[in-house]
Amino acid sequence: DAMVIQNPRYQVTQFGKPVTLSCSQTLNHNVMYWYQQKSSQAPKLLFHYYDKDFNNEADTPDNFQSRRPNTSFCFLDIRSPGLGDAAMYLCATSRARGGTQETQYFGPGTRLLVL
Amino acid sequence: GENVEQHPSTLSVQEGDSAVIKCTYSDSASNYFPWYKQELGKRPQLIIDIRSNVGEKKDQRIAVTLNKTAKHFSLHITETQPEDSAVYFCAASTAFMDSNYQLIWGAGTKLIIKP
Repeated sequence: DAMVIQNPRYQVTQFGKPVTLSCSQTLNHNVMYWYQQKSSQAPKLLFHYYDKDFNNEADTPDNFQSRRPNTSFCFLDIRSPGLGDAAMYLCATSRARGGTQETQYFGPGTRLLVL
Repeated sequence: GENVEQHPSTLSVQEGDSAVIKCTYSDSASNYFPWYKQELGKRPQLIIDIRSNVGEKKDQRIAVTLNKTAKHFSLHITETQPEDSAVYFCAASTAFMDSNYQLIWGAGTKLIIKP
């Protein structure tokens, strides 16, 4: 009954080697979010899609890109991972961005390790 | 923009006692306030939320109160149990139906339940 699925759960990459994290959802929600969470900190929003409309946070590094080929899937691409990019990456979905349907549901996360 | 402050950063209570976590926000237009619980290594999970048209909401041992005038909201957990040990995040959002929408997170409170 998984609703927000993230793959892989653990990812090890080398410094500078591109990596792609994936997220899928069975909720048919319009909005998908990517967050970065470092130890003991609150999740930090990187960007979100409202349907096909991409919204980038002002302080998200250019090194991070995202794709949403359809309603169910969303990808996070890190073009040249640095040591500072090691973190938990959380995908979340919501039916809408506001009103009564903005509750966000999180996937289990992908823990990225950069060597 | 919105700013959310959360206190305390760590809270240690005896099993069976009550725990209270407080958050303040800066944007009077914020109207949705969720609370998330995150256990170590797991995803944030919504435990309760409140909208600005109500002052209090309760779900079994968990309650949230909202004071719009003072711009603060609190999480109350009664009869605490060991499984309540986790990091709790408050958040606030403004229901802008445009690309400026964002859920602003507090820094988190680590709740420790002592046996």
